[in-house]
Amino acid sequence: IVLTQSPGTLSLSPGEKATLSCRASQSVSSNYLAWYQQKPGQAPRLLIYGASSRATGIPDRFTGSGSGTDFTLTISRLEPEDFAVYYCQQYGSSPCSFGQGTNLEIK
Amino acid sequence: QVQLVESGGTLVKPGGSLRLSCVASGFTFSDYYMNWIRQAPGKGLEWISYISTSIDYTNYPDSVKGRFTITRDNAKNSLYLQMNSLRAEDTAVYYCARSVMPGITIFGVPREFDSWGQGTLVTVSS
Repeated sequence: IVLTQSPGTLSLSPGEKATLSCRASQSVSSNYLAWYQQKPGQAPRLLIYGASSRATGIPDRFTGSGSGTDFTLTISRLEPEDFAVYYCQQYGSSPCSFGQGTNLEIK
Repeated sequence: QVQLVESGGTLVKPGGSLRLSCVASGFTFSDYYMNWIRQAPGKGLEWISYISTSIDYTNYPDSVKGRFTITRDNAKNSLYLQMNSLRAEDTAVYYCARSVMPGITIFGVPREFDSWGQGTLVTVSS
């Protein structure tokens, strides 16, 4: 499954709302869709699994939604530490695959 | 706390071999499926292998199948990746990552990755 993330780069200010999209080339089985955050020089961190469940310790300003082929990660009020690259990943079909990433940068 | 520490990355010539290691701590290593995931410089993420808890099942994408071999030693809390016939396109940071229990989905695909190491850089160049 090919995952296409949009936009490639999103420029916003702290306090604003971010909406990141992930579109799959075919339906993701059982909504097995995860989101990760990666900061420069660091490993990715799991944010969302099963399309909408927050991982342990993830603030509630991060919300995952969607089903089938269209998924969204929403960050309700951006904090300075949220500026990073975000990847979606599907694990409903083999091999699991990642999107190309959305770079969320400070405007 | 959960900790994964990779090692073994270095500069290697095309066609060469390399073995990466990942030492786990802070959790019962033998209870978890483990994976290797790589990231080429400035690029996205690519899952490249997983191994079951009891070492009876492994899986790879076509890009590395037949060249890479994942193994584990539960007594040593260690995960390994043997890489042979290395190519320039294998240049990447290699992460070991833990899959959420029960390890794989009903479709036989590794579950989401809830813990990652800091990565080790492999450079394939003459």
